[in-house]
Amino acid sequence: AQKVTQAQTEISVVEKEDVTLDCVYETRDTTYYLFWYKQPPSGELVFLIRRNSFDEQNEISGRYSWNFQKSTSSFNFTITASQVVDSAVYFCALSENKAAGNKLTFGGGTRVLVKP
Amino acid sequence: EAQVTQNPRYLITVTGKKLTVTCSQNMNHEYMSWYRQDPGLGLRQIYYSMNVEVTDKGDVPEGYKVSRKEKRNFPLILESPSPNQTSLYFCASSLPGDGYTFGSGTRLTVV
Repeated sequence: AQKVTQAQTEISVVEKEDVTLDCVYETRDTTYYLFWYKQPPSGELVFLIRRNSFDEQNEISGRYSWNFQKSTSSFNFTITASQVVDSAVYFCALSENKAAGNKLTFGGGTRVLVKP
Repeated sequence: EAQVTQNPRYLITVTGKKLTVTCSQNMNHEYMSWYRQDPGLGLRQIYYSMNVEVTDKGDVPEGYKVSRKEKRNFPLILESPSPNQTSLYFCASSLPGDGYTFGSGTRLTVV
């Protein structure tokens, strides 16, 4: 069965600090997809990134970067030079190729609080 | 603008009074899904649909119904709501193998 673990429930940083969110997943499927979503205080879920299991290249998008390591089943997310607007709950999610309907299994989320 | 639209955003209702939460997407996505989010339980899938007239149960389908009569719409029906269905509900849509785009959420309170 697929499982996603985000061990950090809450992280508090001061503006301009870097913050790394950990995500560890479990799956028996050889083809799968990993995602990160952001849930700001307003409540909506915002898609950040999708990675498939065959693409281990790290990715950078502005102040966001992602480190995918199949060997450790991890897909970590770093926010560089954090800003107050980054305050949100961040979810890591997994979808197995065999999962009907692209079912997403979510981690428990990590709340990030960026203080000015 | 590509989006998933849910209505209403907020709803307070009484136990047993049937309600429908509407969901519509304008991206021509085949897949649609409903999730509920609860403190301590996270996000869980209620129902999903892989195409018109094709729906199936997710992890927590009890007390809910859905229909997919046309590609763009995927309403969530609570025939007899109960207080344990008080939750934040999300509708989402995607292409096969792609990431889900979520609606803004519906905060439902059943008293």
